[in-house]
Order: sequence, then C-alpha cells, then structure tokens
Amino acid sequence: EAQVTQNPRYLITVTGKKLTVTCSQNMNHEYMSWYRQDPGLGLRQIYYSMNVEVTDKGDVPEGYKVSRKEKRNFPLILESPSPNQTSLYFCASTLGQGVYSPLHFGNGTRLTVT
Amino acid sequence: QQPVQSPQAVILREGEDAVINCSSSKALYSVHWYRQKHGEAPVFLMILLKGGEQKGHEKISASFNEKKQQSSLYLTASQLSYSGTYFCGTFVKGGADGLTFGKGTHLIIQP
Repeated sequence: EAQVTQNPRYLITVTGKKLTVTCSQNMNHEYMSWYRQDPGLGLRQIYYSMNVEVTDKGDVPEGYKVSRKEKRNFPLILESPSPNQTSLYFCASTLGQGVYSPLHFGNGTRLTVT
Repeated sequence: QQPVQSPQAVILREGEDAVINCSSSKALYSVHWYRQKHGEAPVFLMILLKGGEQKGHEKISASFNEKKQQSSLYLTASQLSYSGTYFCGTFVKGGADGLTFGKGTHLIIQP
C-alpha cells in the first residue's frame, strides 16, 4: 500500500531533550516536506526537500533540523525542544517538485513539550 | 508567503452552497485544495494549473484566475460529509518556498 509513515503518533517530552520524528514513504517520491499545524495558523512549512541531499527552509525552520540521505526517509530533528514547539506535525511527499502533483500526508505526530 | 483565504469560517445548512476564496500576491504555478477532518491528515481535492481552469470533485469544483492570482472553491448542494477545514496551497513562480498553505476555512454543515 502506498503510504507516508510517521512515527511516533504521540510524543510527550521535556524541554531540551533531543528527539527525532521519523518519516518514510514507499512511493519513490522526490519531494518531501514537514509542516506544523497550530490552531488558527493553518499548516506552516518547516523544511522541504526536492531530492536526496537537497533541503530548503520553509516558513518556520527555527529550532528544527532535517536530513535527506535516502530518497524514502526525511526525519525531523529537534535538537533542544521548547514548549513553543508543542504542535501537530505532518510529513508529506509527492512526485517531482510538487508543483503539479498532490501531496500525500502521513497521519501526523502530536508533540507536547513540557 | 502564505496565501490568504476567506472566509475564515462558514456555517451552512445541508443543501446550501458555499464559496471559499484563496488569493496570493505572487504569480503562481499552481493552486492546490485540500480538506481536513478533525484529528486527521489533509486529503487532496484538486490541483489547478492554468488561468481559468476549472476542475470538479464530487459536487466540489474550483477555478483559477491566473491574472488575479486567485482561486475559488465551490461547494454545491453541500452534504454533511463536506464539513471540515479547507486549505488552499500555492506554488509561487520563481519562488523557492515549496507548497505554502493558507490558514484554512472551517466549514460546518448542519442538518
């Protein structure tokens, strides 16, 4: 089954404790991206990647890191999480550069930083 | 470079029509529309690529005015299942921002 898999679905952590949210897709998509969703703010892009070893900042990259060492994986790393990073996170992927093809979203990761 | 959506929220009776608008200050390659149910991931509805293009999905259609950088989503004879939050996403010409979403429009359909 074609899908984008995020893990974990729920995560509660403390300020400053490094964490990684994994994202994997099995559709051979070039484009992958991370979004955070907060009430009233919609989906804001954190980072995106057009292909392996190519990553770019989105609208809200501060406090996050990503890597794209393999085509299928695009992990989101929070080196020192803070409470303002409490949010719902979505990973997404699509063909090509994403302009002409739909995004496939993972099921989301609800992160709480205390 | 978030596109601007309006209205922020709409409450309808089942069977009524609604229009959701999306506008950008930049020239666009494409406009995407997605619907999200509470607690779920956004689901793709349609992509509009050219000025004046219209597409349909169930009784939902959309148009894209390339000159004005505006897109509208039309929901006809709304059903209870149409409830949710609708997002437009845009790819800016010459930009390097990927797909950027608006803040969303909350649509509530009442029986």
